[in-house]
Amino acid sequence: EAGVAQSPRYKIIEKRQSVAFWCNPISGHATLYWYQQILGQGPKLLIQFQNNGVVDDSQLPKDRFSAERLKGVDSTLKIQPAKLEDSAVYLCASSPEGGLAGGNTDTQYFGPGTRLTVL
Amino acid sequence: AQKITQTQPGMFVQEKEAVTLDCTYDTSDPSYGLFWYKQPSSGEMIFLIYQGSYDQQNATEGRYSLNFQKARKSANLVISASQLGDSAMYFCAMREWQAGTALIFGKGTTLSVSS
Repeated sequence: EAGVAQSPRYKIIEKRQSVAFWCNPISGHATLYWYQQILGQGPKLLIQFQNNGVVDDSQLPKDRFSAERLKGVDSTLKIQPAKLEDSAVYLCASSPEGGLAGGNTDTQYFGPGTRLTVL
Repeated sequence: AQKITQTQPGMFVQEKEAVTLDCTYDTSDPSYGLFWYKQPSSGEMIFLIYQGSYDQQNATEGRYSLNFQKARKSANLVISASQLGDSAMYFCAMREWQAGTALIFGKGTTLSVSS
């Protein structure tokens, strides 16, 4: 079974530029998450989708970050304009049911991440 | 207040020895799940083990076991017979059922295994 795919793996941009990250979850997984991991910290949730609807975007800086999950499969996370403090690894994760079943059946599986450096 | 606390920034162990990575959590939700993930230098978060708040027995997965002490709100990861490939960052995470399904992570512990 293929895992969560993300691209690009690395991206370097200058502040005020825009950038987009792509994620393809595990086939059949209903729920998709985007996390931000700043160096030396654990990941922090940015946004959660259930199929193609947003479940939780309370920690997404909406003035500069946007995300979509068209057709309930792939997702794109965009930053526009980028700031220095956006330098981080952006992790995409997916899970089968998003909490409806609970327990171990709802484990989140992560992609390799995109390492963003803003200069 | 921190929801997940990992007090060991770094741990060092020799091959074939066992090691315990500490994790304490804070929640008032009676229904929650605790997870451990491994993050090697490549960056991918690899799921290791899960413990539900109502599980009666400690979870085990191969060389990984979770020492779950509910009253103390601790969920320590025990790795038996350490291998060089175990060198990585380890994160403890929690999901509170009332708060949704997103994971709350600790700051992680770096494990270094030497030969």
